[in-house]
Amino acid sequence: DTVMTQSPDSLAVSLGERATINCKSSQSVLYSSNNNNYLAWYQQKQGQPPKLLIYWASTRESGVPDRFSGSGSGTDFTLTISSLQAEDVAVYYCQQYYHTPYTFGQGTKLEIK
Amino acid sequence: EVQLVESGGGLVQPGRSLRLSCTASGFTFGDYAMSWVRQAPGKGLEWVSFIRSKASGGTIEYAASVNGRFTISRDDSKNIAYLEMNSLKTEDTAVYYCARDITNWSQGVFDIWGQGTTVTVSS
Repeated sequence: DTVMTQSPDSLAVSLGERATINCKSSQSVLYSSNNNNYLAWYQQKQGQPPKLLIYWASTRESGVPDRFSGSGSGTDFTLTISSLQAEDVAVYYCQQYYHTPYTFGQGTKLEIK
Repeated sequence: EVQLVESGGGLVQPGRSLRLSCTASGFTFGDYAMSWVRQAPGKGLEWVSFIRSKASGGTIEYAASVNGRFTISRDDSKNIAYLEMNSLKTEDTAVYYCARDITNWSQGVFDIWGQGTTVTVSS
């Protein structure tokens, strides 16, 4: 199975500042035949189901604010929130869908400093 | 409104069975692959199973942790996906989410999630 490891486990950022969450996969999730990275990011607020933010490592889901962006390739990926808003407090998960079993990172808890 | 609503959760003793349902509305259910994802108390997300659309052969896959004990199915005429859980273990305790895949063949990207139903396995 592909193990997804996120860092840090928790993060406190001031409002309006940049937040960066990292995700590392134990195997490459880059499919060479189409040059796509099979990596998604989800946001889960307290008491709610996860919400899809980004897939193909950098494609923003419809309706997701453009302060959220994804980058990276192969085994190393980053979710960046360019200017943190109060409503961004949540746990963020990366997920690989290169092959089954689909696996998630352990989550990064983002709080306001 | 596109929506998934899970039901069927509850308290069950180890070794017993439970069937979860996921009722879809607001979209053509049969056009999409569906998955179940669970979250143990205070823990992260674990994919459990998917079922492809009929157009993609209705293929099914399971996580190793549930393979042989859980069965996923779908009834496109009723817009419902099911998860039959047998031989339940205490480690199956979790919130179970139903999730819609962005494709009909299970890309593994989940754009719509239900609110979840809680399964507690305890004696």
